[in-house]
Amino acid sequence: GENVEQHPSTLSVQEGDSAVIKCTYSDSASNYFPWYKQELGKRPQLIIDIRSNVGEKKDQRIAVTLNKTAKHFSLHITETQPEDSAVYFCAASITGKSTFGDGTTLTVKP
Amino acid sequence: GAGVSQSPRYKVAKRGQDVALRCDPISGHVSLFWYQQALGQGPEFLTYFQNEAQLDKSGLPSDRFFAERPEGSVSTLKIQRTQQEDSAVYLCASSPQREWGDTQYFGPGTRLTVL
Repeated sequence: GENVEQHPSTLSVQEGDSAVIKCTYSDSASNYFPWYKQELGKRPQLIIDIRSNVGEKKDQRIAVTLNKTAKHFSLHITETQPEDSAVYFCAASITGKSTFGDGTTLTVKP
Repeated sequence: GAGVSQSPRYKVAKRGQDVALRCDPISGHVSLFWYQQALGQGPEFLTYFQNEAQLDKSGLPSDRFFAERPEGSVSTLKIQRTQQEDSAVYLCASSPQREWGDTQYFGPGTRLTVL
């Protein structure tokens, strides 16, 4: 089955700096790669996603890149703010099933 | 419109009890997913429905776990003879059917504690 590895497990940055979280996946059939933000005690919320026919997608301060050959994808957050502090999960999906990484705890220091 | 809802939000069970967790997906969403999230971990896939058909149950950890969606809308996850290792947050998600690539919308989860 699919295996997703996510790094780093914790990330601390100064407000205004950029943050990068990386994930690798094993199943080349995966075709959809969402990123979720989860605050303590809350539900995961989709922040950005990318499909396998696209190499990069950007939404304001958030961008995701996908390298299908290397089977890795990354989340980039620019101009970080304290409210970006949360746990971020990547996932690799084949229709009907998503495999999640173990999460990255991002702390943005004011 | 209303998002995915789950009930109860919190459930405490004594070891050996049976529990039933309910999920109300977004109206019209074809696909419904159940995940188990242990503390400090990512969600782990349990099972998937398309309408009333259970297409994948490969993630259910044992035959004590059973899920159904009889009318293709509300779903129930049942755990029989609960064990302490079943303690986790159980998340439900739904998605509209697309040609490929499914955006999943999560419910708030049910936190199950087995004593």
